[in-house]
Amino acid sequence: KAGVTQTPRYLIKTRGQQVTLSCSPISGHRSVSWYQQTPGQGLQFLFEYFSETQRNKGNFPGRFSGRQFSNSRSEMNVSTLELGDSALYLCASSSRGGTQTDTQYFGPGTRLTVL
Amino acid sequence: QKEVEQNSGPLSVPEGAIASLNCTYSDRGSQSFFWYRQYSGKSPELIMSIYSNGDKEDGRFTAQLNKASQYVSLLIRDSQPSDSATYLCAVNQEGRPANSGGSNYKLTFGKGTLLTVNP
Repeated sequence: KAGVTQTPRYLIKTRGQQVTLSCSPISGHRSVSWYQQTPGQGLQFLFEYFSETQRNKGNFPGRFSGRQFSNSRSEMNVSTLELGDSALYLCASSSRGGTQTDTQYFGPGTRLTVL
Repeated sequence: QKEVEQNSGPLSVPEGAIASLNCTYSDRGSQSFFWYRQYSGKSPELIMSIYSNGDKEDGRFTAQLNKASQYVSLLIRDSQPSDSATYLCAVNQEGRPANSGGSNYKLTFGKGTLLTVNP
């Protein structure tokens, strides 16, 4: 079974631009979560989608948004990029997303650099 | 602010030794706990999950959970140089009940412990 895929793997943008990242979950998985990883803050939860609905959101500004499509693929968007948005953005999928014993599997990540 | 704390390390052990990684969490309502391993430049991969108090063993790995003390640990026996990585402790925080259609899936990660196993 193919794993979680993310595109693109690397991105370079300048301040003020916007960016869209894509995530395809493991086949059959309906829950997709997004995380930001930086050396200083570690892994931080952005949001989680299930059946096209955002169910959980972390403490990030409104410039960070996402959506999920009917095939469970998800995109996240960051508008008005700031230097501090440079990070590894990780997507993780799980089968049910609503039970405490569910397990998340991570994709390879998208490395975003903001200049 | 619900937190997950880990010793940042680096933790250095000789090959063949036992590596002990520790994690504490602040949310007493947390129900599920995970250990992920992350090699440099790679994404996290799941090593162990544990939901009940006590020990859970899988090969060379043993996870230990003590909810009363809000403490979870990972022991790696017979450590190998290939175990050298950052180990992330993750806690699933309490949220809306699953049967309400909501999600109680919101992992909070510690900042990780860098483990180095020396040949």
